[in-house]
Formats: sequence, C-alpha cells, structure tokens
Amino acid sequence: QQQVKQSPQSLIVQKGGISIINCAYENTAFDYFPWYQQFPGKGPALLIAIRPDVSEKKEGRFTISFNKSAKQFSLHIMDSQPGDSATYFCAASSGMNYGGSQGNLIFGKGTKLSVKP
Amino acid sequence: DTEVTQTPKHLVMGMTNKKSLKCEQHMGHRAMYWYKQKAKKPPELMFVYSYEKLSINESVPSRFSPECPNSSLLNLHLHALQPEDSALYLCASSQDRRQNSPLHFGNGTRLTVT
Repeated sequence: QQQVKQSPQSLIVQKGGISIINCAYENTAFDYFPWYQQFPGKGPALLIAIRPDVSEKKEGRFTISFNKSAKQFSLHIMDSQPGDSATYFCAASSGMNYGGSQGNLIFGKGTKLSVKP
Repeated sequence: DTEVTQTPKHLVMGMTNKKSLKCEQHMGHRAMYWYKQKAKKPPELMFVYSYEKLSINESVPSRFSPECPNSSLLNLHLHALQPEDSALYLCASSQDRRQNSPLHFGNGTRLTVT
C-alpha cells in the first residue's frame, strides 16, 4: 500500500518529442505528489508537484496530470530537449501521521530519460 | 549549484575505519535528512532531524550514527561498515517537516567500502 509504481523504467525520445512518465499508487491517504529530476553525479531536484484537488499543473514545458479516481499521475515533458536527459522520480506522501512517518516521501523506482538530438 | 553542501564528494574506507560525512545548509531550514541511494535506485530515507532533534530513524544499523550539532550542520558517523554499504549518501534539507516543504538535496558523498 505504501508503494508508488513508476513506468517505464527507461525512455528514449527524439528532440522535440513528448516524454511521458506514469505513476500509480494504492494508498488513498497520499495527498502530495512531487516529481524529482536527477542528473548523473547530482542530487535529485524538485521539478514540479501537485495536490489531488487539481487535475493538472503546468510549469513551462513540464505538466503533471492527475487522475484521482484511477490513482494515477503522470509527467509530460513537451518539446523534449537533450538537456532533459536525466532520471525522473515520482513520489507521494501523506499529510496524515501514517506509521509515524508523517510527510515522508515514497519514491517510485525512477525513469531514465534519454533525449536524442 | 546546490545550496546543500556535502563533504567529501568521494570517500573510500576499509571495514575497520571510522569516518564522517558532513552536510551544511545556510537556508535557515529546520529539517535535515540523510538518504542512501544505490545505483539505479531511488533514494531511501535513513534519518530525519527536526529542529535539531532526531525524529525518524528508519531502522538503520547502528554502524551509522547521525549527529546534528546545530541547525545548519548534519553529520553521519560511519564505523565498521560493510561492502554492501557502498552507495551515494545524500543529505537534504527542508524549511520544516510540513508536507509541502520541498526537499533540497546536496550532490552526495560517493562512499566505497573495501
């Protein structure tokens, strides 16, 4: 119930294309869904986050779509660029004191994105 | 560059050594975290400090010992590690433990245990 399932494991997209990464969860107590971007040799960095009271959030070329009934959310990268090549992690957390780990992030397993020039 | 600074960047230690990892932030954040990340895996939470008090220990073996000397500094003391402890150790901070306080990660210490 604490898992966040992320797919695909790896993704290759041509420059200018749309990259789509999907995540699914079971715990209905999750109410905060961030995405982190990690470049090789660097720590993860927050990219964009959403709460379940909205179905979509857009920041520049990055959009999160959220489907509460399906318990799924996805990251869309429009006009993908070689500089977007990185590993992307979705995550989820609950504001409730769940198992003594209030607010702790549960990460998906990651998607390695390669954008070809 | 990241506002969370970790030293050293790389560390090689033997199983009988004692070493320490250091983390520093000057953003006024009151929550600090240690994560462990193995290759091609997501970060795994180890410890959380909130207002300089240990609030979460995710059942980490006692060979890892965290310390928070003040609100800007976080240390991880290492002793009698095993080769399987080789990983990237990430420090992170957030304004506080509220759910939507974004985590700011450092670039990590790459630890190799021989």
